[in-house]
Amino acid sequence: RKEVEQDPGPFNVPEGATVAFNCTYSNSASQSFFWYRQDCRKEPKLLMSVYSSGNEDGRFTAQLNRASQYISLLIRDSKLSDSATYLCVAGTYNFNKFYFGSGTKLNVKP
Amino acid sequence: GAGVSQSPSNKVTEKGKDVELRCDPISGHTALYWYRQSLGQGLEFLIYFQGNSAPDKSGLPSDRFSAERTGGSVSTLTIQRTQQEDSAVYLCASSLARRRDTEAFFGQGTRLTVV
Repeated sequence: RKEVEQDPGPFNVPEGATVAFNCTYSNSASQSFFWYRQDCRKEPKLLMSVYSSGNEDGRFTAQLNRASQYISLLIRDSKLSDSATYLCVAGTYNFNKFYFGSGTKLNVKP
Repeated sequence: GAGVSQSPSNKVTEKGKDVELRCDPISGHTALYWYRQSLGQGLEFLIYFQGNSAPDKSGLPSDRFSAERTGGSVSTLTIQRTQQEDSAVYLCASSLARRRDTEAFFGQGTRLTVV
């Protein structure tokens, strides 16, 4: 079983739409959570950390549900430039070892 | 430099040859990771170094793969007797593993092609 699982998509949405991604993690000892964005043929880059209380950064909102061991990312008012693959990450506390999901591909269309 | 640096950026090698990939992490980052990403796939964990602790090698796919980190800084990933299935982008990341929610910063990767 993979440590972090995501729906690979693709999610094809029109500009302006709201889209949500979920991922699940298997290790209940995971303590740090992130969403990374990866553009085609580029390295992953941090989009946002995910906190227990939930957090928002502009059009992006991340939520953590520890009881169900899932993490979500909500993107409002999608832009063409949001088209990318979104990687869910769970990390352990003691060694900060990160496990990446396989990514969810988003295509925002005009 | 300010970011994680990897070299070479591209490497084409013949099947059966050995290759060395280099990663220069962000200065002061104690944690260093190697991942592999095949075309259209997610990140596959290979190995993790944290300070002076023994590395976590649980992701290395075979004994042809090895890695070392000298002086707690630069790391080298070595693949012996390369096979075509080794073709992938090899990504290195480092993090400042002092806070619980520290992020990992990635280099631009080494694209390895085995012909």
